[in-house]
Amino acid sequence: DADVTQTPRNRITKTGKRIMLECSQTKGHDRMYWYRQDPGLGLRLIYYSFDVKDINKGEISDGYSVSRQAQAKFSLSLESAIPNQTALYFCATSDLHEGEKGYTFGSGTRLTVV
Amino acid sequence: KQEVTQIPAALSVPEGENLVLNCSFTDSAIYNLQWFRQDPGKGLTSLLLIQSSQREQTSGRLNASLDKSSGRSTLYIAASQPGDSATYLCAVKGGSYIPTFGRGTSLIVHP
Repeated sequence: DADVTQTPRNRITKTGKRIMLECSQTKGHDRMYWYRQDPGLGLRLIYYSFDVKDINKGEISDGYSVSRQAQAKFSLSLESAIPNQTALYFCATSDLHEGEKGYTFGSGTRLTVV
Repeated sequence: KQEVTQIPAALSVPEGENLVLNCSFTDSAIYNLQWFRQDPGKGLTSLLLIQSSQREQTSGRLNASLDKSSGRSTLYIAASQPGDSATYLCAVKGGSYIPTFGRGTSLIVHP
């Protein structure tokens, strides 16, 4: 099984719908992140969490919300999806306390808003 | 604010060539630098992580170097193969512990 699992892998939704993307990890890492990737724009940080009670906005948090339900789970919600939220979304984890081993990424969720 | 630039944006080479991908950053006060590989439509796979105190890291045909003072890192790929075709991204982590990503170098190795 993958260390960082994202569900769903692909999703097509209509404008105005609420949608949740889920991420779970088995690495035991404290820190979790949500990024979106758009062609030509690279990876942009949406939200991040350094532990269960910690939530922080990234550079493009408008239109998104997150929930850190447990150390291993971090979900991203689009309250009212719009077409320019069509992108590839990645969850990532890291853990400073194990000695810095860098980031581990999930396989991504391809979201299309029509 | 940290800015990370990767040059070239795209590269096409024949199989067997040794090649160098570049990553430059504006703030030299970094914690570490990580190189990733991304296949089309897929997630990022970590290749090499260099701590700020290190000068280089090696894994198989890959060698990454770090020169903090000049704000540069290079990823050297020896004897390139078609299976190396992918996008390569570098990520620089500073004091905020949030990495800044470059936009990547898209590599094609043709037989």
